[in-house]
Amino acid sequence: GESVGLHLPTLSVQEGDNSIINCAYSNSASDYFIWYKQESGKGPQFIIDIRSNMDKRQGQRVTVLLNKTVKHLSLQIAATQPGDSAVYFCAENRPLDQGGKLIFGQGTELSVKP
Amino acid sequence: EPEVTQTPSHQVTQMGQEVILRCVPISNHLYFYWYRQILGQKVEFLVSFYNNEISEKSEIFDDQFSVERPDGSNFTLKIRSTKLEDSAMYFCASSARAGGRSTDTQYFGPGTRLTVL
Repeated sequence: GESVGLHLPTLSVQEGDNSIINCAYSNSASDYFIWYKQESGKGPQFIIDIRSNMDKRQGQRVTVLLNKTVKHLSLQIAATQPGDSAVYFCAENRPLDQGGKLIFGQGTELSVKP
Repeated sequence: EPEVTQTPSHQVTQMGQEVILRCVPISNHLYFYWYRQILGQKVEFLVSFYNNEISEKSEIFDDQFSVERPDGSNFTLKIRSTKLEDSAMYFCASSARAGGRSTDTQYFGPGTRLTVL
């Protein structure tokens, strides 16, 4: 079936380094993707989104890249800080005729070493 | 900043009992959702709700589940007869409107941890 998946379950980086978290999707009709951050015991928190008419979108210290050819997106975090330690999920936002639901990937746990 | 709130934060119940999980979405939002997350696993879609009716539901959302928007602010998830496998974090989310084919960004509440004994 269709899915959104992540390449690596854990990522450990040194404070100050850049982090890259990857995600693959299988539905070529997908046109809206969101990255969420989930800290322990909390709900998913919106980080950044991207629609399929874009290849790149930048936020504060975060960049999302979308490669529609290979159905891959990535989240780049610049100058990673201890507060960035969390589980990161990519999610596909299905269109309204499918209820507008989010299909989440498995998650990558980012651990930042001081 | 407006946020989605959920109560209770933790609910412990006996198998077979009914539970109601409550959510207050962001006030100008039109689309409402419930998701669940079993410990250590990914977040799974349960149901979406718009214009006072269910838009879409997953296979998980069987006859034991129901949702309701009893007034202008609350959005509830009821599990009629809980099973052990219903133990999970339940998240409510809401979004403002549709943007073309898609809804706007979904914002999540802090979750209710349901423990079924």
